[in-house]
Amino acid sequence: DTAVSQTPKYLVTQMGNDKSIKCEQNLGHDTMYWYKQDSKKFLKIMFSYNNKELIINETVPNRFSPKSPDKAHLNLHINSLELGDSAVYFCASSGRTYNEQFFGPGTRLTVL
Amino acid sequence: AQSVTQLDSHVSVSEGTPVLLRCNYSSSYSPSLFWYVQHPNKGLQLLLKYTSAATLVKGINGFEAEFKKSETSFHLTKPSAHMSDAAEYFCVVSVGEYGNKLVFGAGTILRVKS
Repeated sequence: DTAVSQTPKYLVTQMGNDKSIKCEQNLGHDTMYWYKQDSKKFLKIMFSYNNKELIINETVPNRFSPKSPDKAHLNLHINSLELGDSAVYFCASSGRTYNEQFFGPGTRLTVL
Repeated sequence: AQSVTQLDSHVSVSEGTPVLLRCNYSSSYSPSLFWYVQHPNKGLQLLLKYTSAATLVKGINGFEAEFKKSETSFHLTKPSAHMSDAAEYFCVVSVGEYGNKLVFGAGTILRVKS
Protein backbone atom coordinates (compact mmCIF):
# COMPACT_ATOMS: atom_id res chain seq x y z
CA ASP A 1 0.00 0.00 0.00
CA THR A 2 3.00 2.28 -0.61
CA ALA A 3 1.81 5.73 -1.74
CA VAL A 4 4.79 6.81 -3.87
CA SER A 5 7.25 4.11 -4.88
CA GLN A 6 10.51 4.26 -6.78
CA THR A 7 12.68 1.62 -8.38
CA PRO A 8 15.44 0.87 -8.00
CA LYS A 9 16.37 1.96 -4.49
CA TYR A 10 20.07 1.85 -5.31
CA LEU A 11 21.75 2.20 -8.67
CA VAL A 12 25.49 1.92 -9.24
CA THR A 13 26.77 2.42 -12.77
CA GLN A 14 29.72 3.53 -14.84
CA MET A 15 30.23 6.94 -16.41
CA GLY A 16 28.76 7.19 -19.88
CA ASN A 17 25.99 4.67 -19.30
CA ASP A 18 22.27 5.36 -19.72
CA LYS A 19 19.93 4.53 -16.87
CA SER A 20 16.29 4.98 -15.87
CA ILE A 21 14.53 5.43 -12.56
CA LYS A 22 10.85 4.62 -12.28
CA CYS A 23 8.23 6.24 -10.08
CA GLU A 24 4.66 5.25 -9.43
CA GLN A 25 2.00 6.76 -7.19
CA ASN A 26 -1.29 5.18 -6.15
CA LEU A 27 -2.75 8.31 -4.55
CA GLY A 28 -4.78 9.34 -7.58
CA HIS A 29 -2.75 12.54 -7.88
CA ASP A 30 -2.50 14.48 -11.12
CA THR A 31 0.91 16.06 -10.55
CA MET A 32 4.28 14.38 -10.15
CA TYR A 33 7.79 15.71 -9.57
CA TRP A 34 11.46 14.79 -9.63
CA TYR A 35 13.89 16.28 -7.11
CA LYS A 36 17.64 15.86 -6.79
CA GLN A 37 19.37 15.78 -3.39
CA ASP A 38 23.10 16.31 -3.67
CA SER A 39 25.86 15.15 -1.36
CA LYS A 40 25.29 18.14 0.93
CA LYS A 41 21.64 17.12 1.30
CA PHE A 42 20.46 20.14 -0.69
CA LEU A 43 17.16 19.39 -2.45
CA LYS A 44 16.19 20.99 -5.73
CA ILE A 45 13.27 20.44 -8.06
CA MET A 46 14.06 19.20 -11.54
CA PHE A 47 10.77 18.53 -13.30
CA SER A 48 7.04 18.42 -12.77
CA TYR A 49 4.26 16.85 -14.85
CA ASN A 50 0.55 17.51 -14.53
CA ASN A 51 -1.66 14.98 -16.27
CA LYS A 52 1.24 13.88 -18.45
CA GLU A 53 2.08 17.48 -19.42
CA LEU A 54 5.42 19.05 -18.47
CA ILE A 55 4.78 22.11 -16.28
CA ILE A 56 8.10 22.67 -14.53
CA ASN A 57 11.46 22.24 -16.21
CA GLU A 58 14.30 23.67 -14.21
CA THR A 59 17.78 24.25 -15.54
CA VAL A 60 18.68 20.62 -15.93
CA PRO A 61 21.06 19.18 -18.56
CA ASN A 62 19.14 17.74 -21.49
CA ARG A 63 20.74 14.39 -20.71
CA PHE A 64 17.89 14.13 -18.23
CA SER A 65 14.55 13.30 -19.82
CA PRO A 66 11.38 12.70 -17.85
CA LYS A 67 8.66 10.57 -19.33
CA SER A 68 5.09 10.26 -18.08
CA PRO A 69 3.22 7.38 -19.74
CA ASP A 70 0.17 8.11 -17.58
CA LYS A 71 -0.60 10.32 -14.63
CA ALA A 72 0.35 7.62 -12.11
CA HIS A 73 3.87 7.21 -13.47
CA LEU A 74 6.81 9.55 -13.99
CA ASN A 75 10.08 8.00 -15.06
CA LEU A 76 13.46 9.69 -15.29
CA HIS A 77 15.90 8.67 -17.98
CA ILE A 78 19.50 9.84 -17.81
CA ASN A 79 21.86 9.59 -20.77
CA SER A 80 25.65 9.61 -20.70
CA LEU A 81 25.91 9.57 -16.94
CA GLU A 82 28.55 11.78 -15.33
CA LEU A 83 30.20 11.68 -11.91
CA GLY A 84 28.25 14.78 -10.88
CA ASP A 85 24.97 12.97 -11.42
CA SER A 86 25.63 10.96 -8.27
CA ALA A 87 22.87 11.94 -5.87
CA VAL A 88 19.62 10.78 -4.34
CA TYR A 89 16.67 11.33 -6.65
CA PHE A 90 13.24 11.73 -5.11
CA CYS A 91 9.92 11.41 -6.81
CA ALA A 92 6.87 13.19 -5.37
CA SER A 93 3.22 13.68 -6.18
CA SER A 94 0.47 16.12 -5.26
CA GLY A 95 -3.26 16.34 -5.71
CA ARG A 96 -5.54 19.36 -5.92
CA THR A 97 -3.48 21.08 -3.22
CA TYR A 98 -0.40 21.39 -5.37
CA ASN A 99 1.95 22.31 -2.65
CA GLU A 100 1.27 19.34 -0.36
CA GLN A 101 3.64 16.88 -1.89
CA PHE A 102 4.17 13.26 -0.94
CA PHE A 103 7.64 11.90 -1.48
CA GLY A 104 8.92 8.50 -2.46
CA PRO A 105 11.77 6.75 -0.59
CA GLY A 106 14.43 7.98 -3.01
CA THR A 107 16.86 6.33 -5.42
CA ARG A 108 20.54 6.60 -4.57
CA LEU A 109 22.48 6.85 -7.84
CA THR A 110 26.24 6.35 -7.75
CA VAL A 111 28.24 6.97 -10.89
CA LEU A 112 31.76 5.49 -10.88
CA ALA B 1 12.55 35.50 -5.09
CA GLN B 2 11.05 33.47 -2.30
CA SER B 3 13.46 31.50 -0.16
CA VAL B 4 13.97 30.06 3.30
CA THR B 5 17.02 30.19 5.53
CA GLN B 6 17.56 27.63 8.25
CA LEU B 7 19.65 29.32 10.86
CA ASP B 8 21.32 26.24 12.35
CA SER B 9 22.91 23.41 10.42
CA HIS B 10 23.06 21.23 13.56
CA VAL B 11 21.06 21.24 16.79
CA SER B 12 21.79 18.95 19.72
CA VAL B 13 19.34 18.44 22.62
CA SER B 14 18.94 15.99 25.45
CA GLU B 15 16.03 13.60 25.46
CA GLY B 16 13.05 15.16 27.23
CA THR B 17 14.15 18.76 26.64
CA PRO B 18 12.52 21.22 24.21
CA VAL B 19 13.42 21.38 20.54
CA LEU B 20 13.71 24.61 18.57
CA LEU B 21 14.65 24.57 14.88
CA ARG B 22 14.78 28.03 13.35
CA CYS B 23 13.65 29.09 9.91
CA ASN B 24 13.30 32.53 8.34
CA TYR B 25 11.57 33.09 5.05
CA SER B 26 11.76 35.70 2.35
CA SER B 27 8.59 36.40 0.41
CA SER B 28 6.86 39.32 -1.21
CA TYR B 29 3.45 37.97 -0.21
CA SER B 30 1.98 35.54 2.29
CA PRO B 31 3.74 32.27 1.60
CA SER B 32 2.86 28.63 2.08
CA LEU B 33 5.45 27.12 4.39
CA PHE B 34 6.22 23.56 5.39
CA TRP B 35 8.47 21.48 7.55
CA TYR B 36 9.61 18.11 6.24
CA VAL B 37 11.63 15.50 8.12
CA GLN B 38 14.09 13.02 6.66
CA HIS B 39 15.28 10.13 8.81
CA PRO B 40 18.61 8.54 7.87
CA ASN B 41 18.41 6.79 4.50
CA LYS B 42 14.69 7.43 4.30
CA GLY B 43 12.38 9.58 2.21
CA LEU B 44 10.83 12.90 3.17
CA GLN B 45 7.79 13.11 5.39
CA LEU B 46 5.59 16.16 5.79
CA LEU B 47 5.50 17.28 9.42
CA LEU B 48 3.21 20.28 9.07
CA LYS B 49 2.18 23.09 6.76
CA TYR B 50 1.06 26.71 6.97
CA THR B 51 -1.26 28.04 4.29
CA SER B 52 -2.54 31.36 5.70
CA ALA B 53 -5.06 29.90 8.12
CA ALA B 54 -4.12 29.67 11.83
CA THR B 55 -0.66 31.02 12.55
CA LEU B 56 0.10 28.23 15.04
CA VAL B 57 0.23 24.99 13.14
CA LYS B 58 0.24 21.59 14.78
CA GLY B 59 1.87 18.69 13.04
CA ILE B 60 2.59 15.05 13.60
CA ASN B 61 4.63 13.58 16.46
CA GLY B 62 4.02 16.56 18.76
CA PHE B 63 5.72 19.14 16.55
CA GLU B 64 4.29 22.58 15.94
CA ALA B 65 5.36 25.77 14.20
CA GLU B 66 4.31 29.37 14.47
CA PHE B 67 4.10 31.72 11.51
CA LYS B 68 5.25 35.20 12.55
CA LYS B 69 4.90 37.68 9.76
CA SER B 70 6.54 40.52 11.70
CA GLU B 71 9.66 38.40 12.16
CA THR B 72 9.39 36.52 8.83
CA SER B 73 9.92 33.34 10.83
CA PHE B 74 8.45 29.85 10.90
CA HIS B 75 10.30 28.10 13.71
CA LEU B 76 9.64 24.44 14.51
CA THR B 77 9.23 23.41 18.14
CA LYS B 78 8.51 20.39 20.26
CA PRO B 79 8.13 20.49 24.05
CA SER B 80 10.02 17.27 24.74
CA ALA B 81 12.50 15.56 22.43
CA HIS B 82 12.44 11.84 21.87
CA MET B 83 15.30 9.72 20.58
CA SER B 84 13.24 8.92 17.49
CA ASP B 85 13.20 12.63 16.59
CA ALA B 86 16.84 12.47 15.53
CA ALA B 87 16.74 13.29 11.82
CA GLU B 88 17.25 16.08 9.33
CA TYR B 89 14.56 18.74 9.13
CA PHE B 90 13.85 20.92 6.13
CA CYS B 91 11.98 24.21 6.08
CA VAL B 92 10.27 24.67 2.73
CA VAL B 93 8.40 27.43 0.88
CA SER B 94 6.20 26.89 -2.14
CA VAL B 95 6.65 29.21 -5.12
CA GLY B 96 5.44 29.46 -8.69
CA GLU B 97 2.16 30.33 -10.30
CA TYR B 98 0.29 27.46 -8.66
CA GLY B 99 2.50 27.10 -5.61
CA ASN B 100 3.63 23.75 -6.90
CA LYS B 101 7.36 24.36 -6.80
CA LEU B 102 8.94 23.67 -3.42
CA VAL B 103 12.11 25.51 -2.46
CA PHE B 104 13.99 23.77 0.32
CA GLY B 105 16.18 25.20 3.02
CA ALA B 106 19.63 23.71 3.60
CA GLY B 107 18.38 21.48 6.40
CA THR B 108 19.01 21.20 10.15
CA ILE B 109 20.33 17.97 11.61
CA LEU B 110 18.77 17.29 14.99
CA ARG B 111 20.74 15.12 17.39
CA VAL B 112 19.04 13.80 20.52
CA LYS B 113 21.27 12.70 23.39
CA SER B 114 20.17 10.14 25.94
